[in-house]
Amino acid sequence: SYVLTQPPSVSVAPGKTASITCGGNNIASKSVHWYQQKPGQAPVLAIYNDGDRPSGIPERFSGSNSGNTATLTISRVEAGDEADYYCHVWDSSRNPVVFGGGTKLTVL
Amino acid sequence: QVQLQESGPGLVKPSQTLSLTCTVSGGSINSGDYYWSWIRQHPGKGLEWIGFVYYSGSTYYNPSLKSRVTISIDTSKNQFSLKLSSVTAADTAVYYCARWDGDAYFFDDWGQGTLVTVSS
Repeated sequence: SYVLTQPPSVSVAPGKTASITCGGNNIASKSVHWYQQKPGQAPVLAIYNDGDRPSGIPERFSGSNSGNTATLTISRVEAGDEADYYCHVWDSSRNPVVFGGGTKLTVL
Repeated sequence: QVQLQESGPGLVKPSQTLSLTCTVSGGSINSGDYYWSWIRQHPGKGLEWIGFVYYSGSTYYNPSLKSRVTISIDTSKNQFSLKLSSVTAADTAVYYCARWDGDAYFFDDWGQGTLVTVSS
């Protein structure tokens, strides 16, 4: 089955840019979605279809997808962005709903 | 955007069946555009998809759980349900219900989640 690989943690200073990667075999051929999960809360869709933002998500959040890596980029990071972030794709295999292992974003 | 709310026992004994219901408000569950899903998260771990149900009653399950899972839908009550049989401590998790966009293949609305503990 398809596997998505994320770094366990990323740290960034306030006001800087955070990049969270999601690796998968030829992931560029798939649509990648990203969820933000703050402590004790349910996940929230942050980015869909590689780089589109749902209403209510700040413009500071963006996404890209190329080759074997998709990237979630958060510009001008704020303390409130501290959360776990999960990438997600649909795969045409026996287990079609695939999540990455999650990345904990720490704002220093 | 719809609101989803999980309900059910927070404690289940080993070998018994875990049963949860998700009530959908703010929109009809009887829509061909969406699938209705269950996802769980073990304490301190990542997300695991359990399965989903379409308004017609068609279901799709995670192969690793398929033998123990039943997801059903009640369009008259705007609810869908999860049953997980023969539970063990490894099934202790926060269980979320969520709406799956059937065209774009992402989860656009989630319930708040409910913790189910398997213990005697």
